[in-house]
Amino acid sequence: DTAVSQTPKYLVTQMGNDKSIKCEQNLGHDTMYWYKQDSKKFLKIMFSYNNKELIINETVPNRFSPKSPDKAHLNLHINSLELGDSAVYFCASSRSGMNTEAFFGQGTRLTVV
Amino acid sequence: GIQVEQSPPDLILQEGANSTLRCNFSDSVNNLQWFHQNPWGQLINLFYIPSGTKQNGRLSATTVATERYSLLYISSSQTTDSGVYFCAVVSGGSNYKLTFGKGTLLTVNP
Repeated sequence: DTAVSQTPKYLVTQMGNDKSIKCEQNLGHDTMYWYKQDSKKFLKIMFSYNNKELIINETVPNRFSPKSPDKAHLNLHINSLELGDSAVYFCASSRSGMNTEAFFGQGTRLTVV
Repeated sequence: GIQVEQSPPDLILQEGANSTLRCNFSDSVNNLQWFHQNPWGQLINLFYIPSGTKQNGRLSATTVATERYSLLYISSSQTTDSGVYFCAVVSGGSNYKLTFGKGTLLTVNP
């Protein structure tokens, strides 16, 4: 009964390919996020969705397109993958509002070769 | 945007030792969380602590919001405590994102 689950856990792909990462949460939260963790372990927000609406797009290249089919799912599609996209991508969820705790998935390690 | 600074950046302990990790932030916050990223990469929630003090077993945390800092205490450290400890905050103008510090890398040796 994983709270926030991402698939796949590992993804190795060639430059120029298109790939997707899926995320699902069963916590009943209405806000979901994508974070990127770089090689120095720094975690930074990419996108936030609240009730399927995009709230934050933190200057992410438009090769990255999130899609939220419903409040429990937030997928990340990446076009024309580049070497610099190699990172760990984390999905998270929370209730909306300021005083709320966020929970993270196990991460997807993307390696572009 | 808000700045989050964690110290020390690295910490090496012998098993059984105690430690204090610090998180300073540059503006008022509505939310503060401490996470442990274990060697397998999982981000584990330790504390949700926008203010006050909480304890969970050997770990405790204190946030003094008026002075813009939070402390994470680890007592009687174990090798399984190794990993990166992150502090993350939500500041007033950014309800929908956590801003993370750069983390403290803790290594506990047997």
